[in-house]
Amino acid sequence: DVKVTQSSRYLVKRTGEKVFLECVQDMDHENMFWYRQDPGLGLRLIYFSYDVKMKEKGDIPEGYSVSREKKERFSLILESASTNQTSMYLCASTAFQGKYEAFFGQGTRLTVV
Amino acid sequence: AQTVTQSQPEMSVQEAETVTLSCTYDTSENNYYLFWYKQPPSRQMILVIRQEAYKQQNATENRFSVNFQKAAKSFSLKISDSQLGDTAMYFCAFTSGTYKYIFGTGTRLKVLA
Repeated sequence: DVKVTQSSRYLVKRTGEKVFLECVQDMDHENMFWYRQDPGLGLRLIYFSYDVKMKEKGDIPEGYSVSREKKERFSLILESASTNQTSMYLCASTAFQGKYEAFFGQGTRLTVV
Repeated sequence: AQTVTQSQPEMSVQEAETVTLSCTYDTSENNYYLFWYKQPPSRQMILVIRQEAYKQQNATENRFSVNFQKAAKSFSLKISDSQLGDTAMYFCAFTSGTYKYIFGTGTRLKVLA
């Protein structure tokens, strides 16, 4: 059974903390994505990576950075957490070619207080 | 710019009945892929159905089928014989085969017993 696994389902952090969200996939997918999901706004792309050490900004990269040191792992970093980053974060992966189906992790509900 | 619009924020349907979720999109591409994803209350997003734009035949997966109208840029999802387990958030999504996916804002569907 293919899997995308996010390290935490729920996370509570304080304003100003550096926060790491981890995502691991076991499908040998080239592409990995971080989305933010907010009610009424759908899924918005923060960053994506198409190869190890490669990354591209999405639609809302401000306040975030990413790291992809290994093909199976893609980390989202909140450099200095703020209350407006309270949200649901979804990781996804896709193969470089094929059916373009995205596989998602279970999501991390982050609350910044 | 490519956009995906879901105009129904919430819908409800009686168990065993049929419901249609609407989705429209805008693109200048000729080849692309459209998806419906389901996000149950447990939050893991999964693929429901996929349509390739070059295929005229509407995709079908068991009780789920789509009405793909390429000229009208419409991609609706029909759920037949609705079941309680169909209660979820449904997202329409688009990709032209590049890295970027565009998601709609979602339709929350509730199946009533």
